[in-house]
Amino acid sequence: AQKITQTQPGMFVQEKEAVTLDCTYDTSDPSYGLFWYKQPSSGEMIFLIYQGSYDQQNATEGRYSLNFQKARKSANLVISASQLGDSAMYFCAMREGRVNRLAFGKGNQVVVIP
Amino acid sequence: DTGVSQNPRHKITKRGQNVTFRCDPISEHNRLYWYRQTLGQGPEFLTYFQNEAQLEKSRLLSDRFSAERPKGSFSTLEIQRTEQGDSAMYLCASSLSTGGQTEAFFGQGTRLTVV
Repeated sequence: AQKITQTQPGMFVQEKEAVTLDCTYDTSDPSYGLFWYKQPSSGEMIFLIYQGSYDQQNATEGRYSLNFQKARKSANLVISASQLGDSAMYFCAMREGRVNRLAFGKGNQVVVIP
Repeated sequence: DTGVSQNPRHKITKRGQNVTFRCDPISEHNRLYWYRQTLGQGPEFLTYFQNEAQLEKSRLLSDRFSAERPKGSFSTLEIQRTEQGDSAMYLCASSLSTGGQTEAFFGQGTRLTVV
């Protein structure tokens, strides 16, 4: 079964606008962590933001924020004030319980246009 | 250098040949992971080391694949008798086990093309 679902088609976003990337997850483990990574064309996966299942508040890191809705099992990434350098693939990932591996979604393509 | 380093960045090989990739993790990180990413997909877990011990292997890691981390520092991933289906990006990541949030830091990957 798919652990992480990212189904949005490629997105074009105007520079300086905000964009929301959807991610839903599936787990029965009460302890898990959710991650977002950015992958530019160079190939490197760049860590953006983390949300723990027991965290009371939504995570924020600079222009990135995570809209965590536990009951709906969703962890959407919001990028505010988009920049041209934000053009990339964005991957949502989950680590369950004491397991150390990450399960990734298929990614969302974002293209920022001037 | 403070990042994860992978070599080579690109490898083109003929079907049936053996290839070996190297990963140098962030120096203080005790955990090291290998993932494979095919076109249009997210990375898929292959294997994971804590120090020199290989603690988990995915069923994706067929017997043609072997990974080592002999001294708990760098790691190698070898693919024997390569097949066209092995063509992919191979990503290495490392992390530090602290009991809390432990994000993995990734290298730039080795892109393998089997012709």
